[in-house]
Amino acid sequence: DVKVTQSSRYLVKRTGEKVFLECVQDMDHENMFWYRQDPGLGLRLIYFSYDVKMKEKGDIPEGYSVSREKKERFSLILESASTNQTSMYLCASSFVTGVFTEAFFGQGTRLTVV
Amino acid sequence: DAKTTQPPSMDCAEGRAANLPCNHSTISGNEYVYWYRQIHSQGPQYIIHGLKNNETNEMASLIITEDRKSSTLILPHATLRDTAVYYCIVGNSGGSNYKLTFGKGTLLTVNP
Repeated sequence: DVKVTQSSRYLVKRTGEKVFLECVQDMDHENMFWYRQDPGLGLRLIYFSYDVKMKEKGDIPEGYSVSREKKERFSLILESASTNQTSMYLCASSFVTGVFTEAFFGQGTRLTVV
Repeated sequence: DAKTTQPPSMDCAEGRAANLPCNHSTISGNEYVYWYRQIHSQGPQYIIHGLKNNETNEMASLIITEDRKSSTLILPHATLRDTAVYYCIVGNSGGSNYKLTFGKGTLLTVNP
């Protein structure tokens, strides 16, 4: 079974803390993505990566950074967590092919910043 | 801005076909239409995708209009477990600039 694993299901952090959200996929996918999901706003793309050490901003990158040092791992970093970053965070991965194939999502990390 | 427009919610009776519409009037020639769904407390799950021909798999059928400005996802015999948010997405195939942009989706409620 294909798998995208996010390191934590639930996380509580304090305002101003540096927060790392980790995502690992075991499918040798080139593409990896970070989304956040908020009620009424749907899924919004934060960052994505199409190769090791490559990254591109999504629609809402402000306040976030990412790291992709190895193909299987994509980390989302909140340099200084704020309460408006309380959200559900979803990681996904997919192949790079001539014809699109499906993206696989992790179960999500519900982050609360207090 | 989202490239697709979907109704925020729909109801369907169990055992009946669920037809979920999506408008994508600004779709370009090399963009595919994808459908995903998200069951409560889970990550989104891929359902089906297409370019211009109708597609069918074990989960659903996808009907794309000839001008490609709209499409319909059909769940032929909806069950209670099909209650979920359904996302219609348009995007390019593969490549280094590929990304998925989700809108707000349609909450489908299948009623007994």
